[in-house]
Amino acid sequence: EAGVAQSPRYKIIEKRQSVAFWCNPISGHATLYWYQQILGQGPKLLIQFQNNGVVDDSQLPKDRFSAERLKGVDSTLKIQPAKLEDSAVYLCASSLGTSGVTDTQYFGPGTRLTVL
Amino acid sequence: QKEVEQNSGPLSVPEGAIASLNCTYSDRGSQSFFWYRQYSGKSPELIMSIYSNGDKEDGRFTAQLNKASQYVSLLIRDSQPSDSATYLCAVGLAWRGSQGNLIFGKGTKLSVKP
Repeated sequence: EAGVAQSPRYKIIEKRQSVAFWCNPISGHATLYWYQQILGQGPKLLIQFQNNGVVDDSQLPKDRFSAERLKGVDSTLKIQPAKLEDSAVYLCASSLGTSGVTDTQYFGPGTRLTVL
Repeated sequence: QKEVEQNSGPLSVPEGAIASLNCTYSDRGSQSFFWYRQYSGKSPELIMSIYSNGDKEDGRFTAQLNKASQYVSLLIRDSQPSDSATYLCAVGLAWRGSQGNLIFGKGTKLSVKP
């Protein structure tokens, strides 16, 4: 079974530029998550989708971050404009069911973003 | 503010010893508890989940949960150098029925010396 795919794996941009990340979850998984992991910290949930609807985006900085999950499969996360503090690894995860509490989440390899 | 606390380490143990990793959480409504392992430069992978008070064993790993003390731990028996990684504690907090999300601790870095 193929895992969660993410691209690009690495991205370096200047501050105030925009960037987009792509995620393809495990086939058939209903729930998709985007996490931000700053160096030395645990992952922090940014947004959670069930199929193509948002169930939690309370920690998404909506003035600069946006995300969508078209047709309930692939998802993109965008940052516009980027700030220095956005430098982090952006992890996409998916789970088969619709519980963000009990379902096992499978993580993709992540995208390492560096903002200069 | 819902928090999950872990000692950042590093925790250093000799090969073959028992490694003990600890985690405390602030919200008594927490329903599920997970331990993820994260190798340097890699993504987290689930190694254990526990939902009820007591112990749960899986091979060399034992998760222990004490909801009254808001404490969850992970024991790794016969530690191997390949166990050297950061161990993330994650706590599931529901905000409606089974809907909710995970809150992660900062992780404890484990180093197993040959």
